[in-house]
Amino acid sequence: GDSVTQMEGPVTLSEEAFLTINCTYTATGYPSLFWYVQYPGEGLQLLLKATKADDKGSNKGFEATYRKETTSFHLEKGSVQVSDSAVYFCALSSGNTPLVFGKGTRLSVIA
Amino acid sequence: EADIYQTPRYLVIGTGKKITLECSQTMGHDKMYWYQQDPGMELHLIHYSYGVNSTEKGDLSSESTVSRIRTEHFPLTLESARPSHTSQYLCASSGLLPSSYNEQFFGPGTRLTVL
Repeated sequence: GDSVTQMEGPVTLSEEAFLTINCTYTATGYPSLFWYVQYPGEGLQLLLKATKADDKGSNKGFEATYRKETTSFHLEKGSVQVSDSAVYFCALSSGNTPLVFGKGTRLSVIA
Repeated sequence: EADIYQTPRYLVIGTGKKITLECSQTMGHDKMYWYQQDPGMELHLIHYSYGVNSTEKGDLSSESTVSRIRTEHFPLTLESARPSHTSQYLCASSGLLPSSYNEQFFGPGTRLTVL
């Protein structure tokens, strides 16, 4: 079945550092890909998405490119802030079935 | 404003009690979901629904039950709570394909503690 693998955390960075969180997927067909973020004490929020190969999703300085050849959707940000501390989930949608989520990566940014 | 709501946000109860976690959405979505989130953050799908009178079990076996009598409402019930049910419960909804691409919208969660 479909699956998502994302890098394990926790990830700890200093403010203004470059962030990469790796995500690879296995799916039949052509899934849509998502990154969700969960701030402490809250539900998940959609951060960005890409619906076809080579699409780049972007939001709040975060970017991810849908790479069909490497089945990847890595999340990047050029300069993280303390306020980016959260848990990040990669997910895919393949047809009408529920989203398949990765296990989540906790990011802590220190001043 | 279109949104998804969960009540209560926090609940502490004793073993053996019956509880219902409420979830409502005002987005007109047909599909709704319940997830259990463990302290290690991983999400486990426990129930979902594609519309009124439709309910399906998810990937994680759960002693809870759900109902979908109205489009906007998807409550989750535990007949007899146990300490092993202590967790964060997240409700989500999604609209029709293809325009939504199955994007899910999440409520704020209910943190349940069973003593």
